[in-house]
Amino acid sequence: DAGITQSPRHKVTETGTPVTLRCHQTENHRYMYWYRQDPGHGLRLIHYSYGVKDTDKGEVSDGYSVSRSKTEDFLLTLESATSSQTSVYFCAISYGQEGETQYFGPGTRLLVL
Amino acid sequence: ELKVEQNPLFLSMQEGKNYTIYCNYSTTSDRLYWYRQDPGKSLESLFVLLSNGAVKQEGRLMASLDTKARLSTLHITAAVHDLSATYFCAAGARGSQGNLIFGKGTKLSVKP
Repeated sequence: DAGITQSPRHKVTETGTPVTLRCHQTENHRYMYWYRQDPGHGLRLIHYSYGVKDTDKGEVSDGYSVSRSKTEDFLLTLESATSSQTSVYFCAISYGQEGETQYFGPGTRLLVL
Repeated sequence: ELKVEQNPLFLSMQEGKNYTIYCNYSTTSDRLYWYRQDPGKSLESLFVLLSNGAVKQEGRLMASLDTKARLSTLHITAAVHDLSATYFCAAGARGSQGNLIFGKGTKLSVKP
């Protein structure tokens, strides 16, 4: 599992409420990523981080924000959840070295009603 | 803008048969990855391909990369039921700090 946990693993929420998902790693990886997975779309990058307090947008960042105050934690926040954000969210980590793969967490299933 | 296209998206095979999954990407990429995902599970890394002509093999799976054709293939030899899963390829754009663009995945079903 490369020392990655995600919490919560499942969440049901209502439209308009804020939601925060947490990714925690124990391997001291520099890079952390948030993806969403939807049927017919594969995985799409939301945001990523290349160090504490260093983050950047990915392909589908609208409606999401992130924070990384410690190396081991990367938080994804949906400021005001919408039904279109119903998805499975995966966190991934890497050292950022050339040719290195990304290691994925177990995922969080989010349902926005 | 880097785009990644996989085909086929669905593949039903008989045990013992061979088949190939194709992964095309639209612009220059300096790395190509293959992942496997079982239903309801996370992604498992299979191969990382970094250079033109790179070939890697693990069991019944073999991956190759042709950077000139912007094509990677995942070849399945003598398929067995345990290979049933969804396979994703992903490419990284040059200078993209590790960001990957994923294909939509190929759902493989191996039937006896």
